[in-house]
Formats: sequence, structure tokens, C-alpha cells
Amino acid sequence: NAGVTQTPKFQVLKTGQSMTLQCAQDMNHNSMYWYRQDPGMGLRLIYYSASEGTTDKGEVPNGYNVSRLNKREFSLRLESAAPSQTSVYFCASRVPGYNEQFFGPGTRLTVL
Amino acid sequence: SQQGEEDPQALSIQEGENATMNCSYKTSINNLQWYRQNSGRGLVHLILIRSNEREKHSGRLRVTLDTSKKSSSLLITASRAADTASYFCATDARGAQKLVFGQGTRLTINP
Repeated sequence: NAGVTQTPKFQVLKTGQSMTLQCAQDMNHNSMYWYRQDPGMGLRLIYYSASEGTTDKGEVPNGYNVSRLNKREFSLRLESAAPSQTSVYFCASRVPGYNEQFFGPGTRLTVL
Repeated sequence: SQQGEEDPQALSIQEGENATMNCSYKTSINNLQWYRQNSGRGLVHLILIRSNEREKHSGRLRVTLDTSKKSSSLLITASRAADTASYFCATDARGAQKLVFGQGTRLTINP
């Protein structure tokens, strides 16, 4: 039982490049979330998926797209990376009816 | 915008002392949760307190909730070096399916 896994762990992009951050969970959770964390700040919600087949915008969705590929996987795509997207990205999941969220280890992204 | 506001932003104490962190929020909530984040890691859930509860304990952790003041506090007793981490409160608002996190308190325990 690996919990929530994220790939890659680190990534450096040039402005304008695209990439997809991958997230998978093996806990059979329905809800999944993508957050970004900037230095000295808490987590801000980018997008979430309450269940397979649904996605909703969070607090800071601009510049991102998501795909809930199946119940296990929830990917985050940057179509044209900008330096303002330099951040640490966390994926999380939870079971409806239970409030605890389980977090992945994070992806540290730098956009030059 | 962040619903949770945490205070203090940073706290440094000696091992064995108690550490208290506070969190204020703005809207009605179902519950409030506290998470810990060790440097370079993801967040780990510590404790949850429901809106109809006033106090909750888990080991060396004590959480209080005052819904009239829209505030919560996390007390860590008999601190250890391993408690060095950032601590975040997160609110689960009524009708929402998501958490809103505060900016966190960075706790340093000095040996």
C-alpha cells in the first residue's frame, strides 16, 4: 500500500514548455486534489475531483488543466509554463464521509 | 484567499516546553483539522475537531475550538526535537468538498 504517489519529484522547465504532473492513489479514495505551496505559505487548491469523471476549479486554477483518468489517477497539466508557476505541487486524496486528506510527497517545479 | 490565519508565523522553544499555535477562520465549518509538514515532505493529518466539539486530545496534542470566535488552538505538550515542523490548520466548510489551509506556523524545538 503506497498511499499517494507523485511523479516526478523534481522538474525544471523553461518558460513556455508544457508538462504533466502525475498522481496516483491506491486507497480506493473517491476525491483527489491538487495544491500548490509557495515559500512561507500554506497550500492553495488548484483543482479537485470529487469523484471519477468530475473536476472542479479551486482557488488558483489559471494556467492549469486536470484529468481524472480513472479512480486511481489525477494528473495536472501546465500547457505553457510561466515563472509564476514555480512552486511545490502536492496531490492529495480522501474518502467521502471521512475528512482526513492523505498527501503525496510533492513535486518541486522550477520554471526558468 | 486563505480562510485560516495562523499565529504565530514562527515559534522557537526549548525541548520539554509546551507549544501553542492558534488559527482563526471566517466561515461556518463542519470541522477543523491540523496537519504537520516536515521539511521537504507532504502534509500529515494530526487531529480533527468537529464544529460541535470544544476540545479534543490525542497523545501530546490538545486542540480547542471556539466557534463563536471562529478560532482554534493546537497545544503540543512536552515538546521534542522531532516535533520541529510546520503546522497548518485547515477548515472544512459546510457544503464544500474541499479544505482551506492556513499559512502555517513554523515550530522549532531547540535541544
